Amino acid sequence: AQSVAQPEDQVNVAEGNPLTVKCTYSVSGNPYLFWYVQYPNRGLQFLLKYITGDNLVKGSYGFEAEFNKSQTSFHLKKPSALVSDSALYFCAVRDSFGNEKLTFGTGTRLTIIP
Amino acid sequence: GAVVSQHPSWVICKSGTSVKIECRSLDFQATTMFWYRQFPKQSLMLMATSNEGSKATYEQGVEKDKFLINHASLTLSTLTVTSAHPEDSSFYICSAREMAGTRNAETQYFGPGTRLLVL
Repeated sequence: AQSVAQPEDQVNVAEGNPLTVKCTYSVSGNPYLFWYVQYPNRGLQFLLKYITGDNLVKGSYGFEAEFNKSQTSFHLKKPSALVSDSALYFCAVRDSFGNEKLTFGTGTRLTIIP
Repeated sequence: GAVVSQHPSWVICKSGTSVKIECRSLDFQATTMFWYRQFPKQSLMLMATSNEGSKATYEQGVEKDKFLINHASLTLSTLTVTSAHPEDSSFYICSAREMAGTRNAETQYFGPGTRLLVL
């Protein structure tokens, strides 16, 4: 069975500082990994994905994530946080065998402090 | 690109009535759509996978007769909550993925969600 762990329920970062939101996963075979962001009372917005290729993936709004196979991690990063980055972030995984189901982590609430 | 809409965005209904929620892919064709439910401060729970022109596949514990899913075209899927009760109150979110073989076929794009309150 596939699973995702987001070990931090809440992350607080000062505006302008770099931010990291952690994610580790477990899946059979090669993973397809995704980050989504959710603003209050809204659906999920796609940020970025890793399917294959370069381990460093760049996405929307200046976010990037690094796929680390040995550590089974896919941490989300941004060099300089904005107050508008404050939201709920979800990491998700699926396998590459054709199982379309996404398994989500429990989410990390990111708060950027002005 | 890859925009998914949902209608309505919120609905309040009386216990015992049925509510239909629409999910549309606006700028791409979606052979597969997914329906999720999200409880406050919790992650998303997959309810069912909907494939165009065929019956939906429901997750364990989801009542097929209560949550009717129809995926009649490549751009529209509907979720009908039949005989709704207060415990069905929740945030329902759909997602859609592009047809297999397209550049973003692995990615699910989500709608803005529908908040259902059953009185």
